[in-house]
Amino acid sequence: QSALTQPPSASGSPGQSVTISCTGTSSDVGGYKYVSWYQQHPGKAPKLMIYEVSKGPSGVPDRFSGSKSGNTASLTVSGLQAEDEADYYCSSYAGSNNFVFGTGTKVTVL
Amino acid sequence: EVQLVESGGGLVQPGGSLRLSCAASGFTFSSYWMHWVRQAPGKGLVWVSRINSDASSTGYADSVKGRFTISRDNAKNTLFLQMNSLRAEDTAVYYCAREISGAKDYWGQGTLVTVSS
Repeated sequence: QSALTQPPSASGSPGQSVTISCTGTSSDVGGYKYVSWYQQHPGKAPKLMIYEVSKGPSGVPDRFSGSKSGNTASLTVSGLQAEDEADYYCSSYAGSNNFVFGTGTKVTVL
Repeated sequence: EVQLVESGGGLVQPGGSLRLSCAASGFTFSSYWMHWVRQAPGKGLVWVSRINSDASSTGYADSVKGRFTISRDNAKNTLFLQMNSLRAEDTAVYYCAREISGAKDYWGQGTLVTVSS
């Protein structure tokens, strides 16, 4: 149950796009459609942003989008806004009733 | 409105036990799979455990297997995490979360567990 690999940090100016990668294996990210992404502001509980690789929950701006290719999933935030500055975590089902989170990426809006 | 409220955290000595609770409201608790997720101070999210809607199936992270037990009382809309043989590395904020399609769509505010002598 090794953590999924994410870049420690990513940044962009307001209005730009930023993409965060999440690399796993064929036993987790590559093997299932159950990849999700979470946003966490300091001192707050995580918030679901994307589920089943690319589906957006009600209430989440469509500036947030997800995709997957092989063992790597990605979250793209388009039209960056100040409030998007936060930590982002990916998560995947890993089979046999197990789940795994990514290492987390801190997104900075310049 | 969906609400999840954790309780039961606190300071415990290494080797001790603690039972966390998560009170659910605003949805049909008995229809949903539920999770516990933890976050050590300044660190990332770590999945801990999952239980299905009727408590017939559970899963655990390797780091807690054999020490932690997840359970639920659907009549009382409450999720539990029994934590035994606690170690310093179990120190974290523990969140309960509701599952939809493999994702956690609602989270509680978390309860802090500190394992220290």
